[in-house]
Amino acid sequence: GAVVSQHPSWVICKSGTSVKIECRSLDFQATTMFWYRQFPKQSLMLMATSNEGSKATYEQGVEKDKFLINHASLTLSTLTVTSAHPEDSSFYICSARSLAGPYQETQYFGPGTRLLVL
Amino acid sequence: SQQGEEDPQALSIQEGENATMNCSYKTSINNLQWYRQNSGRGLVHLILIRSNEREKHSGRLRVTLDTSKKSSSLLITASRAADTASYFCATVRSEKLVFGKGTKLTVNP
Repeated sequence: GAVVSQHPSWVICKSGTSVKIECRSLDFQATTMFWYRQFPKQSLMLMATSNEGSKATYEQGVEKDKFLINHASLTLSTLTVTSAHPEDSSFYICSARSLAGPYQETQYFGPGTRLLVL
Repeated sequence: SQQGEEDPQALSIQEGENATMNCSYKTSINNLQWYRQNSGRGLVHLILIRSNEREKHSGRLRVTLDTSKKSSSLLITASRAADTASYFCATVRSEKLVFGKGTKLTVNP
């Protein structure tokens, strides 16, 4: 149990375009999903927390208009990188947590999406 | 800001040897978690130890927690080449996971 998927796993785009990344909890309902960013050889940095049906909460320094997060259902959250630039190139990882059932205390992570902006 | 700090930053051992990674943190915790990340992949949850626990085992993994020293250790016994990965400790602050910088473990066959 507790499987989280991300799509796409790889994306290459031109500067100025927008890219949408999907995060799905496959076998449980995720009341909360988290989006992280990871640069090479570094740790994960939390970008934002999204709760189903409400606006995402962004960490300090993360532009909410740049990184649009939607958590429309208990199994799906999306991150849209708007007007992407080369400095947005990174590894984006989502995680999901449920407030009920056996998955309460742990976040379950997706496999990540590598974004390269040319 | 980073809550956990792992050491060493990198560890290289031979297959069959034990690997020990340490994590220190700054604030009080309810629990501490260890995760593993294979290169270019997502994180896999390994083990959670609560603040009232001192030691926990899961297969070849042994985690200890010393709340007086604000530190934890992860021991992997009888390591295998497949254990090669980065290992992160994480604590929860305001319901958010805060990760350490990680230890990159290389197990040579």
